[in-house]
Amino acid sequence: DQQVKQNSPSLSVQEGRISILNCDYTNSMFDYFLWYKKYPAEGPTFLISISSIKDKNEDGRFTVFLNKSAKHLSLHIVPSQPGDSAVYFCAASPETGANNLFFGTGTRLTVIP
Amino acid sequence: NAGVMQNPRHLVRRRGQEARLRCSPMKGHSHVYWYRQLPEEGLKFMVYLQKENIIDESGMPKERFSAEFPKEGPSILRIQQVVRGDSAAYFCASSAGLGDQPQHFGDGTRLSIL
Repeated sequence: DQQVKQNSPSLSVQEGRISILNCDYTNSMFDYFLWYKKYPAEGPTFLISISSIKDKNEDGRFTVFLNKSAKHLSLHIVPSQPGDSAVYFCAASPETGANNLFFGTGTRLTVIP
Repeated sequence: NAGVMQNPRHLVRRRGQEARLRCSPMKGHSHVYWYRQLPEEGLKFMVYLQKENIIDESGMPKERFSAEFPKEGPSILRIQQVVRGDSAAYFCASSAGLGDQPQHFGDGTRLSIL
C-alpha cells in the first residue's frame, strides 16, 4: 500500500523557469514531510522539510507548500538550474524526529539549459 | 559526504551466501535506519535501531534478515542465504532523533545476487 504518491515520474523544465513537484499522501497521521534529492549512485540528500503546523517553508530557491485538507504537498524550485536535474523524493513521517519515513516513488526532474 | 558512511559500496554474492552491510552514522547521531530500494521504486523502510536496541523492525522480512547496532562499531544489516530477489540498493540513514532533525543518508550498498 503506497501511502505517499508521486504521480509524475518525470518533469522537464527550461532553465530559469519554475519547477513544481507534487506529492500526495493518504495517512492522516503523517505530520512531518521532507523532500530529498537523489543523484545516480548516491544516497538521498535532504533538501527541505515542513511540519503540519505550517503551510509553507522556504529555503533559498526551494519552497515547500503543505495543504493538509487535501493531503497534498509540493516543492517549488525557482529559478531552476541544470544542476537541479535529479530524482526528487517526497517522504512523510507520523511524527517529527526519530521515526521511519514513508517515501514516494520519485520524480525525475530534467532542467534544460 | 563526511556524514553517514556505508561499506561496501558494491557487494556481489551467490545465491545461498551471506551478505553483511555496514553503516557508521554521522557523528553525534545515535539513531540508525535501514531502507531498501528496488529498481524504479522509492525507498522502503526496514528497521530502526538505537545503540544496542531495535526500536522498530516492522519493515524487515521475517526470515533471513537481521540488524544490529552494537555499543561499539557500526550498524550491521545481515542477510543470510541470499536469493535473487534480495538484489537492491540498501541505504542507511542516521539522525539525532531530536525534534524535527531530518534523517541523513549514506550513499548505499548495491547488492547483486548471481
